[in-house]
Parts: sequence; C-alpha cells; structure tokens
Amino acid sequence: GESVGLHLPTLSVQEGDNSIINCAYSNSASDYFIWYKQESGKGPQFIIDIRSNMDKRQGQRVTVLLNKTVKHLSLQIAATQPGDSAVYFCAEQPGGYNKLIFGAGTRLAVHP
Amino acid sequence: EAQVTQNPRYLITVTGKKLTVTCSQNMNHEYMSWYRQDPGLGLRQIYYSMNVEVTDKGDVPEGYKVSRKEKRNFPLILESPSPNQTSLYFCASSYQDRVGGYTFGSGTRLTVV
Repeated sequence: GESVGLHLPTLSVQEGDNSIINCAYSNSASDYFIWYKQESGKGPQFIIDIRSNMDKRQGQRVTVLLNKTVKHLSLQIAATQPGDSAVYFCAEQPGGYNKLIFGAGTRLAVHP
Repeated sequence: EAQVTQNPRYLITVTGKKLTVTCSQNMNHEYMSWYRQDPGLGLRQIYYSMNVEVTDKGDVPEGYKVSRKEKRNFPLILESPSPNQTSLYFCASSYQDRVGGYTFGSGTRLTVV
C-alpha cells in the first residue's frame, strides 16, 4: 500500500477495547472539525464532525470531544475492531476560510 | 454510487510535460478541492472552488492550475511538472460548507522524473 506518513505515532489496542485518539489543533479561530480515517491505498474517509458550538458529538461507535480551551480534539472508538486499523487524521477549518488544515495523523493498530 | 472519481490512478511522467488529472463528482456538490499528501507534511490544500467559475488558491498553489467550467468537474493541471510535484493527490467535494465534511477520491499517485 501507499505510505501516508513517516514515523506516525501509533496507538496499539486489543480487539474489543476502546480506543482514544488525540489531536491538538493549531488555530483558535477554527470553528469546524472533522475526523477522517485513511486506509492504505485509499482516500480519507469521513468519520464524524463537530462544530465549535458543541463539545461532544456521538456517532455509531464513535464519539468526538472538543475542548476549545486547550485546543484539543479526541476521537473515541468503542469496541475497536480489526477493520478499524488505519491512519486517523483530525482536520480543522478556520472561520472564514474554505480549507481544511490536517493534523499529522495517528496510526491505529488493532491486535486480535 | 455517490463518489468522487479521479483519473488516472497512477501516472509517471517526465519533467516539463504538461498533464491533467481529472476529477468528477456525481453528488451535485458546490465545493471542490485539491490536496496533495506527502510523507511528513500531511495533506495540504492546493486549490479550491466554491462554485462554477469560482476558484481560489490554497496553501501550495505554485505550479498548478485548475478550472471549474462545470459543477461536476474540477481538473488539476500541471503545465510544466517538476520532480518536487511528485506526490499523492486527492480531489474532494462537499455539498455545503461545514456540513458533512468532504468526500475524497481514491487518489492519484504522480511521479515526475
């Protein structure tokens, strides 16, 4: 597959455990945030988003938490499965701009 | 199936030979963007478009051109490719700003020798 990054931080979890992936964002003016999953050889896939007027949002097996005070975003994956193994990116969108600023990514490795 | 389609998937070319990477979406999305992904640098925006005939530069526009003559298509043009444009390119589209994120294509792996 195609490499998406060098020396990415890796989170290793056991199948069935909960995973928490963290992201520090850079721009205090960002008002929209997205988590993406990227599997080898594929494009980023939307997981969940959150606006800055919220601090928590839940999807199917995933929860995003936003702490604007410390500019921190986290993605929680419940009951992690082998199919969750991928690189996860957070992205922020600054207010007034039509672009996403991506974080460096975290590799999630799920072990049976 | 709703999707963003990029072509070609892989391309090897020589320095200076003009090329176009096509991008098409079938979701009637207003917003479209091009990104490049490089190891250690992550995904960076090249150009974006908010509607037909409306385009603007992203963070790394040098050496690239785009056009948006139709809503569904957003080609990326490299007039005179150079080796530093060797990268993995993604096209993405979104129906509405700040709603539902962007849908990405499968990527184009470009090598310029």
